[in-house]
Amino acid sequence: NAGVTQTPKFRVLKTGQSMTLLCAQDMNHEYMYWYRQDPGMGLRLIHYSVGEGTTAKGEVPDGYNVSRLKKQNFLLGLESAAPSQTSVYFCASSFWRSGELFFGEGSRLTVL
Amino acid sequence: AQKVTQAQTEISVVEKEDVTLDCVYETRDTTYYLFWYKQPPSGELVFLIRRNSFDEQNEISGRYSWNFQKSTSSFNFTITASQVVDSAVYFCALSLTGANSKLTFGKGITLSVRP
Repeated sequence: NAGVTQTPKFRVLKTGQSMTLLCAQDMNHEYMYWYRQDPGMGLRLIHYSVGEGTTAKGEVPDGYNVSRLKKQNFLLGLESAAPSQTSVYFCASSFWRSGELFFGEGSRLTVL
Repeated sequence: AQKVTQAQTEISVVEKEDVTLDCVYETRDTTYYLFWYKQPPSGELVFLIRRNSFDEQNEISGRYSWNFQKSTSSFNFTITASQVVDSAVYFCALSLTGANSKLTFGKGITLSVRP
């Protein structure tokens, strides 16, 4: 079972470049999330979605955009990357609102 | 508002010692869920437990046990007879149950178990 798959796993960008992280889940989950993990900061929620076609801001949404055009996919976009966005990004999904989160393996992004 | 505090940042123990990881949470809601996740050095996040606010029974799973006390807003995690494989970052998290509820994580505790 694939579970939650994130692509790419690693990426290096220059300041100002754009990119999209793709998250795909095959568990038919309604809820999907994007977190970033930085040393000493834990996991902070960027954006989330409570169903196909919906998105909402989390704790640290600035500089990111998301889309959930299909139930199984949740895209995280950086329009103009900044060094402060160097981080490890985790996608997660859950079947119900307060259920267990299933995480992807993470995507390590470096912005030079 | 909701908040999770893991005051311990790093803990180092020798194998076979018992260790307790503290978690204190804040919320005004009466219905909520508490979680613990483990992040081993390989980086993936592994779900350990979910507890709802109406169930204060302690839980034991092998060498792992959890103590939930609403009176002190704490949900502590104890590893008995620690092993090197327990070395990881452990996150406590809180979820409310409203329409747009989401999981809020603490900053994590890095546990190192030395042989």
